[in-house]
Amino acid sequence: DGGITQSPKYLFRKEGQNVTLSCEQNLNHDAMYWYRQDPGQGLRLIYYSQIVNDFQKGDIAEGYSVSREKKESFPLTVTSAQKNPTAFYLCASRAAEETQYFGPGTRLLVL
Amino acid sequence: AQKITQTQPGMFVQEKEAVTLDCTYDTSDPSYGLFWYKQPSSGEMIFLIYQGSYDQQNATEGRYSLNFQKARKSANLVISASQLGDSAMYFCAMRDDLGGSQGNLIFGKGTKLSVKP
Repeated sequence: DGGITQSPKYLFRKEGQNVTLSCEQNLNHDAMYWYRQDPGQGLRLIYYSQIVNDFQKGDIAEGYSVSREKKESFPLTVTSAQKNPTAFYLCASRAAEETQYFGPGTRLLVL
Repeated sequence: AQKITQTQPGMFVQEKEAVTLDCTYDTSDPSYGLFWYKQPSSGEMIFLIYQGSYDQQNATEGRYSLNFQKARKSANLVISASQLGDSAMYFCAMRDDLGGSQGNLIFGKGTKLSVKP
C-alpha cells in the first residue's frame, strides 16, 4: 500500500531531551513537510523539503531540526531549545502537481 | 500577506441534511489553489477537494462541492446528505503558487462539524 507513515504514535519527552519523529513515504513524492498543530488551532509549517539534501525553514522552525538524506524519509528532531513542544505533529508529502497528503501524526507530550 | 479565515468555530447539522462550511481567503497573487481537509478525532488530515484559481467550474467530489466565488474571495465547502461519519474538524487551506512559497499551504483554524442523528 502506498502512503505516509509516522512513528511513534505517542512520544514522551523529558526536560532537556532531544527526540526524533519519523516520517516515511513510498509515494515517490519529491516534497515533504512538517506541521505542528496545537489544540483548537490550524496547522503551522515547521520545515519543508522540495528535494533530497535540501530543506527550508517554515514559520515556526526555532527549536526544531530536520534532515533529508533520502527521498522517502524526512525525520524531525525536537530539540531541548523548543520550550513548548507539546503538540500534534503531522508530516505531509506532495507530488509535483498539487495536493499534499498527510500521515497519521505523532502526539508529543512532555513529562 | 496570505490568510485563510474560517468564521464558524462549530456547526451542527441534522443527518441527511446539507451543510455549508465557510472559508474566505486573502491573497494578491492571481494563481493559487484552495483545498479542504477533514480531520476526524483520530487526527489524520484527509484531503477532500481542490479548486484552482483559474478553474471555470466549481469542484465536486461525491457529496462534497466547493462553492468558489472568486470576486468575493470565498471557497465554501458544501456537504450534501450529511452522515454521522462526517462529524469532524474541517480545514480550509490555500496554496500560493507564486512569490517563492514553493507550494506551501496556509491553513485556517478550522470548523468543528457535528452531525445529529
